[in-house]
Amino acid sequence: GDSVTQMEGPVTLSEEAFLTINCTYTATGYPSLFWYVQYPGEGLQLLLKATKADDKGSNKGFEATYRKETTSFHLEKGSVQVSDSAVYFCALLSGSARQLTFGSGTQLTVLP
Amino acid sequence: GAVVSQHPSRVICKSGTSVKIECRSLDFQATTMFWYRQFPKQSLMLMATSNEGSKATYEQGVEKDKFLINHASLTLSTLTVTSAHPEDSSFYICSATRTVQETQYFGPGTRLLVL
Repeated sequence: GDSVTQMEGPVTLSEEAFLTINCTYTATGYPSLFWYVQYPGEGLQLLLKATKADDKGSNKGFEATYRKETTSFHLEKGSVQVSDSAVYFCALLSGSARQLTFGSGTQLTVLP
Repeated sequence: GAVVSQHPSRVICKSGTSVKIECRSLDFQATTMFWYRQFPKQSLMLMATSNEGSKATYEQGVEKDKFLINHASLTLSTLTVTSAHPEDSSFYICSATRTVQETQYFGPGTRLLVL
């Protein structure tokens, strides 16, 4: 079945540091890939997505590139801010399934 | 666009009572809505998928008689936790999509505490 493996946290960085959160997947067909962010006490917000190989999703300074050859969709940001502190979830939607498969989530804390 | 709301945001109830949680798509028609449960510091667990006008499809291990889902219109789905017990305390999140393959948009979640 489909699965998403996410870098375990928690991750703690200083403000303006570079962020990478690794995400790899297994799926049949050609899935769409997503990063969602969850702030404390809230639901999930779509951060970015990519629907086909080599697509780059980007939003609010975050980027992720759909790499079919390595089955990866790593999240990156060049300079994090305290307000980026949240839990980040990688997810996939396969061609045949109608439901998202989530990774375990990575807690990010950015210190001033 | 693509805003999903949930009500209530937080509810505390006594053991044995039933609680209804509403999920609404505010600016689009949602053919499919999903209900998730999230335990502290864990990922989301899909409970069920509901399509407007038809019965919900429950994931394995989810009691359909305990978690009643109704998707009566294209903008509203409800989850009723019947005869709630302390172990039902959790964060319940819904999501909605316009079409099968489109991005899911999530509600802000409902925190349920059963005393």
